[in-house]
Amino acid sequence: QSVLTQPPSASGTPGQRVTISCSGSSSNIGSNSVNWYQQLPGTAPKALIHSNNQRPSGVPDRFSGSKSGTSASLAISGLQSEDEADYYCAAWDDSLSGWVFGGGTKLTVL
Amino acid sequence: EVQLVESGGGLVQPGGSLRLSCAASGFTFISYWMTWVRQAPGKGLEWVANIRLDGSEKYYVDSVKGRFTISRDNAKSSLYLQMNSLTAEDTAVYYCARGGAPRSSSPFPYWGQGTLVTVSS
Repeated sequence: QSVLTQPPSASGTPGQRVTISCSGSSSNIGSNSVNWYQQLPGTAPKALIHSNNQRPSGVPDRFSGSKSGTSASLAISGLQSEDEADYYCAAWDDSLSGWVFGGGTKLTVL
Repeated sequence: EVQLVESGGGLVQPGGSLRLSCAASGFTFISYWMTWVRQAPGKGLEWVANIRLDGSEKYYVDSVKGRFTISRDNAKSSLYLQMNSLTAEDTAVYYCARGGAPRSSSPFPYWGQGTLVTVSS
């Protein structure tokens, strides 16, 4: 059972907008930044969003992040087949004194 | 170009030990916290441990405390993970990642390709 809760799966058709949620608590998302990672099949994770809503250089602006209270969301607009991957949220947890990840959401492009 | 290359994975019997290494290049190693993250087969990501720039501060996930030790050699730009008393639950791909300071707003911008550790008799 992960400290951060994500839906196990999400799906959409090409061109659609999909959102993936990440729910935490006051000791993690409620008091620290949320970060998102994309993991394509068979590859290492890649940084997608940091500081709740900031994109690293090279990440398309189709990807956006937001945070409210103890929850966060990743939105992907203009869905493309290459977006089919696993997505993870992560935050520092002050109570655990460690990094915590969500269980991951498998995104399927129909 | 930032590069992180893990090595040292393999098959080990339950109760055994293994030492993972991560060779870093393309950045000033001593300027960054470093982190180990693992992923069991078919499962999600799990943070394992992180270490401060000079090695003076370390954090571990509860499940590995007392069994795993994270360390670094700044002269060699290398990160290590000594794993003892291994169990089947430690079977995973182990990734080395740059960053991971507590409460960092931009953790883990770079990852290695991972090294597979399999604990089995």
